[in-house]
Amino acid sequence: DTGVSQNPRHKITKRGQNVTFRCDPISEHNRLYWYRQTLGQGPEFLTYFQNEAQLEKSRLLSDRFSAERPKGSFSTLEIQRTEQGDSAMYLCASSEDSYEQYFGPGTRLTVT
Amino acid sequence: SQKIEQNSEALNIQEGKTATLTCNYTNYSPAYLQWYRQDPGRGPVFLLLIRENEKEKRKERLKVTFDTTLKQSLFHITASQPADSATYLCALTMDSSYKLIFGSGTRLLVRP
Repeated sequence: DTGVSQNPRHKITKRGQNVTFRCDPISEHNRLYWYRQTLGQGPEFLTYFQNEAQLEKSRLLSDRFSAERPKGSFSTLEIQRTEQGDSAMYLCASSEDSYEQYFGPGTRLTVT
Repeated sequence: SQKIEQNSEALNIQEGKTATLTCNYTNYSPAYLQWYRQDPGRGPVFLLLIRENEKEKRKERLKVTFDTTLKQSLFHITASQPADSATYLCALTMDSSYKLIFGSGTRLLVRP
Protein backbone atom coordinates (compact mmCIF):
# COMPACT_ATOMS: atom_id res chain seq x y z
CA ASP A 1 0.00 0.00 0.00
CA THR A 2 1.56 3.32 -1.06
CA GLY A 3 -0.92 5.68 0.62
CA VAL A 4 -0.43 7.91 3.65
CA SER A 5 -0.01 5.93 6.85
CA GLN A 6 -0.47 7.06 10.44
CA ASN A 7 0.48 5.45 13.72
CA PRO A 8 -0.96 4.68 16.12
CA ARG A 9 -4.53 4.44 14.87
CA HIS A 10 -5.92 4.86 18.37
CA LYS A 11 -4.43 6.40 21.52
CA ILE A 12 -5.99 6.65 24.94
CA THR A 13 -4.10 8.77 27.43
CA LYS A 14 -4.65 10.40 30.78
CA ARG A 15 -4.91 14.16 31.08
CA GLY A 16 -1.51 15.71 31.58
CA GLN A 17 0.43 13.07 29.65
CA ASN A 18 2.39 13.73 26.46
CA VAL A 19 1.55 11.92 23.24
CA THR A 20 3.30 11.66 19.88
CA PHE A 21 1.80 10.64 16.54
CA ARG A 22 3.63 9.67 13.38
CA CYS A 23 2.72 10.23 9.74
CA ASP A 24 4.39 8.65 6.71
CA PRO A 25 3.35 10.49 3.54
CA ILE A 26 3.24 9.18 -0.01
CA SER A 27 6.92 8.86 -0.88
CA GLU A 28 7.27 11.43 -3.67
CA HIS A 29 5.10 14.06 -1.95
CA ASN A 30 6.97 17.12 -0.71
CA ARG A 31 4.13 18.72 1.25
CA LEU A 32 2.74 17.31 4.47
CA TYR A 33 -0.21 18.64 6.47
CA TRP A 34 -1.74 18.03 9.88
CA TYR A 35 -5.43 18.56 10.62
CA ARG A 36 -7.67 17.91 13.60
CA GLN A 37 -11.28 16.78 13.30
CA THR A 38 -13.97 16.56 15.97
CA LEU A 39 -17.31 14.81 15.60
CA GLY A 40 -19.67 16.48 13.16
CA GLN A 41 -17.08 19.01 11.99
CA GLY A 42 -14.78 19.23 9.01
CA PRO A 43 -11.03 18.90 9.48
CA GLU A 44 -9.32 21.97 10.95
CA PHE A 45 -5.85 22.92 9.71
CA LEU A 46 -3.01 22.74 12.22
CA THR A 47 0.26 23.05 10.31
CA TYR A 48 2.05 22.20 7.09
CA PHE A 49 5.55 21.42 5.84
CA GLN A 50 7.21 21.74 2.50
CA ASN A 51 10.07 19.25 2.66
CA GLU A 52 11.53 19.79 6.15
CA ALA A 53 10.44 23.44 6.49
CA GLN A 54 7.36 24.21 8.57
CA LEU A 55 5.76 26.92 6.41
CA GLU A 56 2.49 27.61 8.17
CA LYS A 57 1.02 27.04 11.60
CA SER A 58 -2.53 27.76 12.72
CA ARG A 59 -2.94 30.60 15.20
CA LEU A 60 -5.35 28.30 17.03
CA LEU A 61 -2.52 25.89 17.76
CA SER A 62 -1.41 26.25 21.34
CA ASP A 63 2.25 26.02 22.32
CA ARG A 64 1.56 22.55 23.72
CA PHE A 65 1.52 21.30 20.12
CA SER A 66 4.69 20.83 18.11
CA ALA A 67 5.34 19.16 14.80
CA GLU A 68 8.54 18.14 13.05
CA ARG A 69 9.57 16.72 9.73
CA PRO A 70 13.29 16.28 10.26
CA LYS A 71 14.41 14.80 6.94
CA GLY A 72 11.54 15.89 4.79
CA SER A 73 9.98 12.42 4.90
CA PHE A 74 7.89 11.30 7.88
CA SER A 75 6.47 13.76 10.40
CA THR A 76 5.62 13.66 14.09
CA LEU A 77 3.02 15.65 15.98
CA GLU A 78 3.50 15.93 19.74
CA ILE A 79 0.95 17.17 22.23
CA GLN A 80 2.30 18.00 25.66
CA ARG A 81 0.23 18.07 28.87
CA THR A 82 -2.86 16.75 27.12
CA GLU A 83 -6.28 18.14 28.01
CA GLN A 84 -9.71 16.62 27.48
CA GLY A 85 -10.36 19.18 24.75
CA ASP A 86 -7.53 17.62 22.74
CA SER A 87 -9.67 14.51 22.15
CA ALA A 88 -10.18 14.35 18.39
CA MET A 89 -9.13 12.60 15.20
CA TYR A 90 -5.71 13.81 14.03
CA LEU A 91 -5.37 13.57 10.27
CA CYS A 92 -2.25 13.76 8.16
CA ALA A 93 -2.28 14.51 4.45
CA SER A 94 0.34 14.89 1.74
CA SER A 95 0.53 16.40 -1.71
CA GLU A 96 2.96 16.84 -4.55
CA ASP A 97 3.01 19.96 -6.74
CA SER A 98 -0.77 20.23 -6.75
CA TYR A 99 -3.57 21.44 -4.54
CA GLU A 100 -5.39 18.18 -3.93
CA GLN A 101 -4.39 16.37 -0.78
CA TYR A 102 -4.26 12.69 0.10
CA PHE A 103 -5.24 11.82 3.62
CA GLY A 104 -4.22 9.05 5.95
CA PRO A 105 -6.66 7.08 8.10
CA GLY A 106 -6.08 9.31 11.13
CA THR A 107 -5.13 8.79 14.76
CA ARG A 108 -8.04 8.91 17.19
CA LEU A 109 -6.96 10.45 20.51
CA THR A 110 -9.03 10.05 23.65
CA VAL A 111 -7.93 11.99 26.73
CA THR A 112 -9.46 10.69 29.96
CA SER B 1 -16.68 36.75 9.93
CA GLN B 2 -15.47 34.05 7.57
CA LYS B 3 -17.75 31.06 7.15
CA ILE B 4 -18.15 27.99 4.99
CA GLU B 5 -21.64 26.57 5.15
CA GLN B 6 -22.84 23.16 4.09
CA ASN B 7 -26.27 21.80 4.85
CA SER B 8 -25.94 20.18 8.26
CA GLU B 9 -29.06 18.08 7.71
CA ALA B 10 -28.54 14.77 5.97
CA LEU B 11 -29.68 14.46 2.38
CA ASN B 12 -31.76 11.34 1.88
CA ILE B 13 -32.49 10.32 -1.73
CA GLN B 14 -33.64 7.33 -3.74
CA GLU B 15 -31.14 5.29 -5.75
CA GLY B 16 -30.90 6.47 -9.34
CA LYS B 17 -31.76 10.10 -8.54
CA THR B 18 -29.34 13.02 -8.71
CA ALA B 19 -27.93 14.25 -5.41
CA THR B 20 -27.13 17.96 -5.20
CA LEU B 21 -25.06 19.30 -2.31
CA THR B 22 -24.41 22.98 -1.63
CA CYS B 23 -21.38 24.83 -0.30
CA ASN B 24 -21.68 28.56 0.46
CA TYR B 25 -18.88 30.73 1.75
CA THR B 26 -18.63 34.22 3.21
CA ASN B 27 -15.67 36.61 3.34
CA TYR B 28 -13.30 34.32 1.46
CA SER B 29 -11.84 34.73 -2.01
CA PRO B 30 -10.70 31.23 -2.81
CA ALA B 31 -8.48 30.42 -5.75
CA TYR B 32 -9.63 26.78 -5.69
CA LEU B 33 -12.55 24.85 -4.32
CA GLN B 34 -12.36 21.13 -3.69
CA TRP B 35 -14.78 18.36 -2.77
CA TYR B 36 -13.85 15.38 -0.63
CA ARG B 37 -15.71 12.25 0.44
CA GLN B 38 -15.37 10.92 3.97
CA ASP B 39 -16.59 7.58 5.27
CA PRO B 40 -16.99 6.97 9.02
CA GLY B 41 -13.66 6.47 10.80
CA ARG B 42 -11.61 7.23 7.68
CA GLY B 43 -9.73 10.17 6.25
CA PRO B 44 -11.24 12.34 3.48
CA VAL B 45 -10.75 11.23 -0.12
CA PHE B 46 -10.20 13.80 -2.87
CA LEU B 47 -12.90 13.91 -5.56
CA LEU B 48 -12.71 17.09 -7.63
CA LEU B 49 -10.97 20.45 -7.75
CA ILE B 50 -12.30 23.53 -9.56
CA ARG B 51 -10.44 26.79 -10.11
CA GLU B 52 -11.92 30.26 -9.60
CA ASN B 53 -11.94 30.90 -13.35
CA GLU B 54 -13.78 27.65 -14.11
CA LYS B 55 -17.55 27.41 -13.97
CA GLU B 56 -17.99 23.65 -14.17
CA LYS B 57 -15.96 20.44 -13.86
CA ARG B 58 -17.04 16.86 -14.50
CA LYS B 59 -15.65 13.45 -13.62
CA GLU B 60 -17.70 10.36 -14.44
CA ARG B 61 -20.99 10.74 -12.47
CA LEU B 62 -19.75 13.80 -10.57
CA LYS B 63 -20.19 17.45 -11.52
CA VAL B 64 -19.08 20.56 -9.66
CA THR B 65 -20.05 24.16 -10.36
CA PHE B 66 -18.38 27.23 -8.91
CA ASP B 67 -20.02 30.66 -8.89
CA THR B 68 -17.66 33.26 -7.40
CA THR B 69 -20.35 35.96 -7.64
CA LEU B 70 -22.82 33.97 -5.55
CA LYS B 71 -19.93 32.54 -3.50
CA GLN B 72 -21.36 29.09 -3.97
CA SER B 73 -20.43 25.66 -5.26
CA LEU B 74 -22.86 22.90 -6.14
CA PHE B 75 -21.79 19.24 -6.18
CA HIS B 76 -23.92 16.79 -8.15
CA ILE B 77 -23.86 13.00 -8.19
CA THR B 78 -25.97 11.62 -11.03
CA ALA B 79 -27.49 8.12 -11.05
CA SER B 80 -26.74 7.84 -7.34
CA GLN B 81 -26.02 4.46 -5.76
CA PRO B 82 -26.15 3.23 -2.15
CA ALA B 83 -22.33 3.07 -2.29
CA ASP B 84 -22.34 6.89 -2.66
CA SER B 85 -23.63 7.19 0.91
CA ALA B 86 -21.01 9.16 2.85
CA THR B 87 -20.23 12.63 4.16
CA TYR B 88 -19.15 15.13 1.50
CA LEU B 89 -16.88 18.00 2.48
CA CYS B 90 -16.14 21.14 0.53
CA ALA B 91 -12.81 22.87 1.08
CA LEU B 92 -11.37 26.20 -0.01
CA THR B 93 -7.78 27.00 -0.90
CA MET B 94 -6.54 30.58 -1.01
CA ASP B 95 -3.96 31.73 -3.51
CA SER B 96 -1.42 32.43 -0.76
CA SER B 97 -1.49 29.03 0.95
CA TYR B 98 -1.83 25.32 0.28
CA LYS B 99 -3.89 24.61 3.40
CA LEU B 100 -7.50 23.47 3.08
CA ILE B 101 -10.32 25.28 4.88
CA PHE B 102 -13.17 22.82 5.27
CA GLY B 103 -16.89 23.14 5.71
CA SER B 104 -18.57 20.85 8.22
CA GLY B 105 -19.84 18.46 5.55
CA THR B 106 -23.18 17.11 4.43
CA ARG B 107 -24.15 13.50 4.99
CA LEU B 108 -25.69 11.80 1.97
CA LEU B 109 -27.81 8.67 2.31
CA VAL B 110 -28.86 6.87 -0.88
CA ARG B 111 -31.72 4.40 -0.32
CA PRO B 112 -31.85 1.25 -2.48
